[in-house]
Amino acid sequence: ELKVEQNPLFLSMQEGKNYTIYCNYSTTSDRLYWYRQDPGKSLESLFVLLSNGAVKQEGRLMASLDTKARLSTLHITAAVHDLSATYFCAPYAGNMLTFGGGTRLMVKP
Amino acid sequence: DAGVTQSPTHLIKTRGQQVTLRCSPKSGHDTVSWYQQALGQGPQFIFQYYEEEERQRGNFPDRFSGHQFPNYSSELNVNALLLGDSALYLCASSLIGLNTEAFFGQGTRLTVV
Repeated sequence: ELKVEQNPLFLSMQEGKNYTIYCNYSTTSDRLYWYRQDPGKSLESLFVLLSNGAVKQEGRLMASLDTKARLSTLHITAAVHDLSATYFCAPYAGNMLTFGGGTRLMVKP
Repeated sequence: DAGVTQSPTHLIKTRGQQVTLRCSPKSGHDTVSWYQQALGQGPQFIFQYYEEEERQRGNFPDRFSGHQFPNYSSELNVNALLLGDSALYLCASSLIGLNTEAFFGQGTRLTVV
């Protein structure tokens, strides 16, 4: 059974600061997704990482994947208030996405 | 191009009742997966349908059942509702095969009282 651990679970940061969210998973995965979820809303796809060493960037967010270490990171650069949301990583294996518990990010002015 | 659509958006049911949730996949997608998201938690996989058959199932009791129609739309049925079934139910559609992205609908918020 694939297990996914995200940390931190909660992150409060100042605008303009940098931080990294970590996603560890327990078994081999075909690919890994990062999603954003605003309160009461559905999941918005941010990144799909398909291979070892994959790095993708969109705006202030950059995601990477190390399949050997079974680790993915989501790096936030110069955070702004609009990035406040809950972020989930989800490796894909066995025809399903297995989600971590999420990281609730709060960016303060 | 309509994305993944789910209905209804909100629903209130009484314990012991049965409920049916519906999902229309994104145009061109042939695979539908259902997830349950309890408050404050990550989504949990319920099952996946492809070619009108259940392809994979998560750790959910038989009270949870589903169906996929020839037009690829899908239903999730939950019998004998429990208070603990209160959650956001998310449908995701994708195209079978490797390296395809899963798109989520807006979800159905089910409250069991």
